[in-house]
This record gives sequence, C-alpha cells and structure tokens, in this order.
Amino acid sequence: AQSVTQLGSHVSVSEGALVLLRCNYSSSVPPYLFWYVQYPNQGLQLLLKYTSAATLVKGINGFEAEFKKSETSFHLTKPSAHMSDAAEYFCAVTGAGNMLTFGGGTRLMVKP
Amino acid sequence: AAGVIQSPRHLIKEKRETATLKCYPIPRHDTVYWYQQGPGQDPQFLISFYEKMQSDKGSIPDRFSAQQFSDYHSELNMSSLELGDSALYFCASSDRANEQFFGPGTRLTVL
Repeated sequence: AQSVTQLGSHVSVSEGALVLLRCNYSSSVPPYLFWYVQYPNQGLQLLLKYTSAATLVKGINGFEAEFKKSETSFHLTKPSAHMSDAAEYFCAVTGAGNMLTFGGGTRLMVKP
Repeated sequence: AAGVIQSPRHLIKEKRETATLKCYPIPRHDTVYWYQQGPGQDPQFLISFYEKMQSDKGSIPDRFSAQQFSDYHSELNMSSLELGDSALYFCASSDRANEQFFGPGTRLTVL
C-alpha cells in the first residue's frame, strides 16, 4: 500500500519568493511520484513526475522536485513565485497498481 | 493535442435518482481511471479499466458501476444517489507510459 502526506494545507509566499511545498510518501514498492496542479473549478494538470530516472525532476512553469529516498520525500520547489502560481497542488504516488494515491493537497497563495 | 473529454460537465440530480458520466480517453490510450473529489478533499480512486477489463478497484460504492467499451470510452453509472455523492468526478487516461492525463471533470450535485 502507498500513502502521501503533504505538510501544510496552506502555504503563503510573496511574489518573487521561493516556493517550497512538502511531500512525503510511503510505498511498499519503488514508487512513481507526481505533482499535479489544480486551478479553481478545473481539472488536474501534471507538473512533473519521477519514474526512477534522474532524482531531480524539472517540470513545467519553472517547477522542479527532488526525489530523496532516504527521506522518503519529493518536495516541490520554484525559485520565484508568480501570481499565476496560486492554485491547489497535489502530490501523488503510484505503487503496485497504477492508480494514483493523492496527498491532501496544499493551497498556495501568492501575495503581491 | 487531443485531451480527455468528459460529459456532461455539470449534472444536477435528486436523491435516489441515477446518473451516467461519460469519459472519452485520449486516442490510443488503453487505460481509463475514475476518481472522485469531494468538496475541499483530494481525489480518491474509484476504479480503472485496461483494454476493456476492470483492472483495479478502489473506494467505489456498490451503488456505482462502470465499464469500458470497445471504442475505449468509459461510463460511470451511479444509482440511488445520495447527498454525499455530490463531488467532482474525474476521468484520466494513460498509455503504457504510466502518466495519467486528466479530463476537466464532471461536477455532480445531488439535491
């Protein structure tokens, strides 16, 4: 079985500041890890994914995440926040089955 | 590029009614997943199909059923609707690359 924990249901940053959204996972098999973004009343858009290749993964919109097996973490970062980054972010894991197990989500707010 | 299509986008039903949600995957994608996202919650996996056969089952109520047809589209049938079924229902499709592409969702409101 697999699970995901996202620390912080709400994160607020100033425009131009570093974005750090935390994700820790638990999986009984080598995991595939994903970050999705959801804008209000919209579907889920894939930001990036880790599938056992490079541990530092670059995604769209300037986001990246680093897979750290020793810490069972897959934190999402962006060097400089933009107002358009305000959204809900979900970390997700797949294990033995291909279904996604999502974390509780983190709402990112960007202050001008 | 073609995306996952879901219909209808919005649906309003009364308690104890039935509802059918449809999902059209990206062309050449052979796997379909259904997720339910309640208000303020994360998406929960319901069920998936690979090559028209059920492949995995999650927290799907017995009142719900689903299938994948020969053209790979999928339908989620929901009967005896309850207030708690009000949610956003997402369909996602994938090929062998293990990346799921999500549709825009169907917002079901049960009154």
